[in-house]
Amino acid sequence: GNSVTQMEGPVTLSEEAFLTINCTYTATGYPSLFWYVQYPGEGLQLLLKATKADDKGSNKGFEATYRKETTSFHLEKGSVQVSDSAVYFCALSDSNYQLIWGAGTKLIIKP
Amino acid sequence: GAGVSQSPSNKVTEKGKDVELRCDPISGHTALYWYRQRLGQGLEFLIYFQGNSAPDKSGLPSDRFSAERTGESVSTLTIQRTQQEDSAVYLCASSLSSVSTYEQYFGPGTRLTVT
Repeated sequence: GNSVTQMEGPVTLSEEAFLTINCTYTATGYPSLFWYVQYPGEGLQLLLKATKADDKGSNKGFEATYRKETTSFHLEKGSVQVSDSAVYFCALSDSNYQLIWGAGTKLIIKP
Repeated sequence: GAGVSQSPSNKVTEKGKDVELRCDPISGHTALYWYRQRLGQGLEFLIYFQGNSAPDKSGLPSDRFSAERTGESVSTLTIQRTQQEDSAVYLCASSLSSVSTYEQYFGPGTRLTVT
């Protein structure tokens, strides 16, 4: 079946460091891929998405590229801020309407 | 405009009691989803509504769980005879369509604690 695996947290970085959160997936067909973010005390919100191979999703300085050959959708940011501290979820949506979720990665940015 | 709202935000109940959770989706969104999020885990799909079609209940963990939605409006998730393992955050999301590329908009969740 379809599944999403993302790196375990927490990930702790200093402000202005480079961020990578790994996400790999298993799916039949051609899924759409998403990164959602959950800031402390807030609801889940879409951060970025990519709907086909080689697409790059970007938002708020974050980027992720849909790599079909490596079945990956790693999240990157060049210079993180304290305000980026949150839990990040990778997810996929195949031909059905369900989203299949990774377990989430908690990111802690220290000033 | 208004986002997805859920009530109550927190619910503490005794084991064996019934609880009802409410979700108000974004106006005009035809698709509505319920998820469960246990502490430190990803989201677990529970049930899906699309317009007036029959809901997909394949994610409901037991027959103690049920959900209803009236048309394209409010949905309620009911858990009967609650158990301690039901303790979790219950999230509702809505979407313009069930097409896979559409974004799901999430409510803030209801944190359920069964004592």
